[in-house]
Amino acid sequence: GQNIDQPTEMTATEGAIVQINCTYQTSGFNGLFWYQQHAGEAPTFLSYNVLDGLEEKGRFSSFLSRSKGYSYLLLKELQMKDSASYLCAVRDPTGGYNKLIFGAGTRLAVHP
Amino acid sequence: IAGITQAPTSQILAAGRRMTLRCTQDMRHNAMYWYRQDLGLGLRLIHYSNTAGTTGKGEVPDGYSVSRANTDDFPLTLASAVPSQTSVYFCASSVGQGNTGELFFGEGSRLTVL
Repeated sequence: GQNIDQPTEMTATEGAIVQINCTYQTSGFNGLFWYQQHAGEAPTFLSYNVLDGLEEKGRFSSFLSRSKGYSYLLLKELQMKDSASYLCAVRDPTGGYNKLIFGAGTRLAVHP
Repeated sequence: IAGITQAPTSQILAAGRRMTLRCTQDMRHNAMYWYRQDLGLGLRLIHYSNTAGTTGKGEVPDGYSVSRANTDDFPLTLASAVPSQTSVYFCASSVGQGNTGELFFGEGSRLTVL
């Protein structure tokens, strides 16, 4: 089975840095994804990690430690538009090649 | 504009009725997926299709069926809707093997079963 845990809610201040953690326990692993979802909208792809280490993309960075079953998404210079849910997802290597198992998501509220 | 189109965007349905949610993509992606999203549970995979002509079961397939007659279309059918199927349904697609596996999502179909 698969288990993906992330905090339910977080709050942060505009201009600050926030780190959203994700831990996973899966029977197999073939990549970890982060998606952003604004209220009432579709999820959109943010980042992908398959090897250990940090992947940086503008204000957003994602880190992976496969030995610890741990990832985090780091958001810098927070803006009001970053208020959204952030979904951690692990690729399930059994059966379909591209099946993603999602965590419940972390709802981030950015305030002035 | 290329992407995924879902229809209807919203529907209220009486329990016991049959309902088909439509999904069409114009990106020529091989793989397509149906997820449902419920508060506190996140996105859960219902069914998937790696290529036209093939389908597979996800985490929560009971009460749902799919077909993949061609590359572009992947309809989801509820044969006899029940209130527990009230949810937001997202169709998604990906190129398939050999890439990072990024999913492209449609805008969702909000279904209420009374």
